[in-house]
Amino acid sequence: EVRLVESGGGLVQPGGSLRLSCAASGFTFSIYAMSWVRQAPGKGLEWVSTISSGGGATYYADSVKGRFTISRDKKNTLYLQMSSLRAEDTAVYYCAKDVYYYGRSFDIWGQGTMVTVSS
Amino acid sequence: DIQMTQSPSSLSASVGDRVTIICRASQSISNYLNWYQQKAGKAPNLLIYGASSLQSGVPSRFSGSGSGTDFTLTISNLQPEDFATYYCQQSYNTPETFGQGTKVEIK
Repeated sequence: EVRLVESGGGLVQPGGSLRLSCAASGFTFSIYAMSWVRQAPGKGLEWVSTISSGGGATYYADSVKGRFTISRDKKNTLYLQMSSLRAEDTAVYYCAKDVYYYGRSFDIWGQGTMVTVSS
Repeated sequence: DIQMTQSPSSLSASVGDRVTIICRASQSISNYLNWYQQKAGKAPNLLIYGASSLQSGVPSRFSGSGSGTDFTLTISNLQPEDFATYYCQQSYNTPETFGQGTKVEIK
């Protein structure tokens, strides 16, 4: 079964840091680009970051550039290191497997992990 | 960034109805348009890619059309499990942007 399981979310104070993880199983993780997409409470979806299959290329939304770092390892895990967190970063964070039909879309999603930035 | 605008923001429909959701891009995106369904408290699910191609496992009552800047998602014979929020997403360039969503509710 193809599966993505996120962890690491929680309550953090403004200016703090948090690292999210996403464990992948059921597919050949190493050959797919992976992404993070977030959803603020009651709001729509926002692409956050993407990492290439080999990890050599990374892309970020302007809203998180310089504060978030995406990475991956050879143990089928995707990460998102978040620092200098702001209230507007409060959201459910989903990891997603990229698929390239016509450009980048997301065919497999995790269940999401909630990040709350508040004092 | 390419802006994606969906209409309506919400709609009420009955089981068996035909429903159409519109998505407009702020510039031409050819057919680089995807549709997702999201049920309450769940992750999104890819329904359609390339504006009109059905993702594997998605029922044939879902269909998409359009090219350039104007796109539609149609659900024919609406089923109880189709009550959800639907998002369009452009995959023409990065950042890949989503519409604000259309909530399909039970009438």
